[in-house]
Amino acid sequence: GAVVSQHPSWVICKSGTSVKIECRSLDFQATTMFWYRQFPKQSLMLMATSNEGSKATYEQGVEKDKFLINHASLTLSTLTVTSAHPEDSSFYICSALDPSKNEQYFGPGTRLTVT
Amino acid sequence: TQLLEQSPQFLSIQEGENLTVYCNSSSVFSSLQWYRQEPGEGPVLLVTVVTGGEVKKLKRLTFQFGDARKDSSLHITAAQPGDTGLYLCAGLFSGTYKYIFGTGTRLKVLA
Repeated sequence: GAVVSQHPSWVICKSGTSVKIECRSLDFQATTMFWYRQFPKQSLMLMATSNEGSKATYEQGVEKDKFLINHASLTLSTLTVTSAHPEDSSFYICSALDPSKNEQYFGPGTRLTVT
Repeated sequence: TQLLEQSPQFLSIQEGENLTVYCNSSSVFSSLQWYRQEPGEGPVLLVTVVTGGEVKKLKRLTFQFGDARKDSSLHITAAQPGDTGLYLCAGLFSGTYKYIFGTGTRLKVLA
């Protein structure tokens, strides 16, 4: 199956700093990627849709100035958590849409801990 | 607002038992997917159903899409400890690529 990678797999940062998470589609080009957030023992909540070459579309209640998304190429989308706070600690998961199969494939996730 | 409700939320059963997980919504979806997620990992796609009334089988797992494409079920026959995990349904709205995830069902199969 298609492979989507995320980097880093886990990160610990201090409150007030910014953290960048990368999502890469390794064997297909993805014009659309998605960013999700998952709290412990809960389901995935869609944060935003990342579109290559254009601005991301954010879900209601998600602060676009806090969660900066850049889809710079057909294989890379980045999520930057700016001025992180402990409540931003979560499991962040991306997925990439393979347009040739109309299927989305998930990355392994990034665990962010803000101290 | 959670559009996709799964039931039960938690399920703990003995190896060999059968179980059914339900995914219900008031919205119509163009397709629906089921995923299984292990702790600390991303979800892994199990199946995609597209047609109302469609039934798909994957070894001991049987998936059904409701006739009206508003609900789905996952039935596991003779559950094994390896089936333990978080099961998630995800619905796709017509005309979009955006999947909305269900509330999740956490399954534990005891040996």
